[in-house]
Order: sequence, then structure tokens, then C-alpha cells
Amino acid sequence: DADVTQTPRNRITKTGKRIMLECSQTKGHDRMYWYRQDPGLGLRLIYYSFDVKDINKGEISDGYSVSRQAQAKFSLSLESAIPNQTALYFCAPCGPAVGEQYFGPGTRLTVT
Amino acid sequence: GESVGLHLPTLSVQEGDNSIINCAYSNSASDYFIWYKQESGKGPQFIIDIRSNMDKRQGQRVTVLLNKTVKHLSLQIAATQPGDSAVYFCAEANTGANSKLTFGKGITLSVRP
Repeated sequence: DADVTQTPRNRITKTGKRIMLECSQTKGHDRMYWYRQDPGLGLRLIYYSFDVKDINKGEISDGYSVSRQAQAKFSLSLESAIPNQTALYFCAPCGPAVGEQYFGPGTRLTVT
Repeated sequence: GESVGLHLPTLSVQEGDNSIINCAYSNSASDYFIWYKQESGKGPQFIIDIRSNMDKRQGQRVTVLLNKTVKHLSLQIAATQPGDSAVYFCAEANTGANSKLTFGKGITLSVRP
């Protein structure tokens, strides 16, 4: 979706490094989600936010943290990256219905 | 635990034929189901959804069928085109309990010219 921007699009980092993935949206949605995608495993929820003051853990939040700087911005951080965090990461602002998620283009992260 | 799964990892169809992609879900409390399409290098894109009070919903060239008795969801694509080649995901949600989707593992649809 062109209204959702993720940066960087690709990143290679070393084990132990801190890295931040950023997401911004121009849709004006309060709810935003972060997922990771691994081959054969589909998408798994890391964190989600209903508004700037409401942050919730998803099914695989360990090793990750998030920051909701504004309605339009939701960042995902890996405090100390490890190789099994190598994956494709998607941000998705969400409209009123939970299925109304607009996925960004993704960030491909490789941890060596 | 609850899970959403797909029967087949890949599906190959001839251009012009109809495609049927199946999905099984196990959470009987789920009341909302969605199909997403993911093209190579892109994020998933919403195709069609259906609520548990319906058995069938039609869109443009796509139809979703829901069988709550056997917890089965299917996506039918009419007159499959090369542009339909992608990975398809089903997802479920219990809208009364939370605002989270549980995704299936995905199935690759390959359209033969």
C-alpha cells in the first residue's frame, strides 16, 4: 500500500547490534501492527498498538520492543539482534475492522 | 492450541480454469475470516472477507465459502489469470475478544499459461 512506508527496505546487521525498523502511514488509522514473516510460517504478530498510549504484545514479542511516536509512526526495535530474527518484517495500519489491515512493503532483515 | 492451517502448500492451475484454495481453522470462537494475496516482493493485500453469520460471499472473480460445521474456509477464483499467481493466506479473528488476526501458513498459486 502506497500510504504505508517502511524503512529500511533491506538491512544486514551483525549479531548483538541494535536496529530500528520504522513505519509511517498517511491513512490516519489509530491501530497499527508489526508482523514477521518466515518461510513456511506465515505472518506472526509481534506487537500492536490501538493508539499512541496503548501498546500490546503479540505472540512473539520477546527480543523486540516498539515505540508509537505519533499516530502516524510505529517503530520496531531489536535491542540485540540474533540470527533467528532474520525475517521479513511488515507493518500494517488497521482501519475499523481488524481485517482492514494495509500492509507496508516490508523490511528484509538479515542478522549475521 | 488454536491454529489456522492450509491443506496444500502449492497449487498449480491452467490459465482460464477455476482455482480453489482451502483453509482449515480450529478456533470455534472465530467469527471473522479474511483472505489475503501476497505477490512476490510485496506485503499481503486484502482480497475478501466473510463473517460467521454468512456461508458465502462473492467479489469480483472471487468467492469465499465458509463451512462452520467442519471449520473450513475456501477461496474460489474464477477464470484464473497469470496475475493471480501469488501466495494466498487465510486469517481468522475473534472480534469480540480481541483485535488480532491469526494467519495460516500460506499456499502458493501458480498459473500455467
